[in-house]
Amino acid sequence: NAGVTQTPKFQVLKTGQSMTLQCAQDMNHEYMSWYRQDPGMGLRLIHYSVGAGITDQGEVPNGYNVSRSTTEDFPLRLLSAAPSQTSVYFCASMASGGAHELNTGELFFGEGSRLTVL
Amino acid sequence: LAKTTQPISMDSYEGQEVNITCSHNNIATNDYITWYQQFPSQGPRFIIQGYKTKVTNEVASLFIPADRKSSTLSLPRVSLSDTAVYYCLVGDRLGYGNKLVFGAGTILRVKS
Repeated sequence: NAGVTQTPKFQVLKTGQSMTLQCAQDMNHEYMSWYRQDPGMGLRLIHYSVGAGITDQGEVPNGYNVSRSTTEDFPLRLLSAAPSQTSVYFCASMASGGAHELNTGELFFGEGSRLTVL
Repeated sequence: LAKTTQPISMDSYEGQEVNITCSHNNIATNDYITWYQQFPSQGPRFIIQGYKTKVTNEVASLFIPADRKSSTLSLPRVSLSDTAVYYCLVGDRLGYGNKLVFGAGTILRVKS
């Protein structure tokens, strides 16, 4: 199984540019989320989704948009990149909903997308 | 949101047992306690999860007192490869309407 796949792994943007970080999972997980991790810091929650068509804000949602049209995909859009958005972005998924015995409470993370905004 | 507090860093030597404590005073009834390990340039990975008392797996033990306001991750006989950041996460494992917020984490340095 591929698990959680993030693309691209590296990206350099200029201030004001927009882009989309892609996240796909093949585990049929209902719950997906995006975190950012700045150098030497912990993970901060940007947005999350508990199922297709449902999204909500995390701790630091400003400057980012998400949508969840399918169970598998959860793209993160940077509307107008700023140097403060230079970070490593992690996508994660978790089984939730449905049969309780399937909900292990374990977040599965992708390998990360390293974004630099100049 | 159930906020967590952990020590910023800990040092240990190979072969020792390491205990990392997490404080979560406002944990909710439906919340579970989950610990993750993160190596540089990698996403966190699941170590262990528990609700109350003691849970043990092949890599760690998790101790949770009756009031559930804290938890302790125990790593037996650490090695150099256990040098990593360890995060305590508290939340409803169903994820419904739940912001799974990570704390700052504990940097564990294992020395030879």
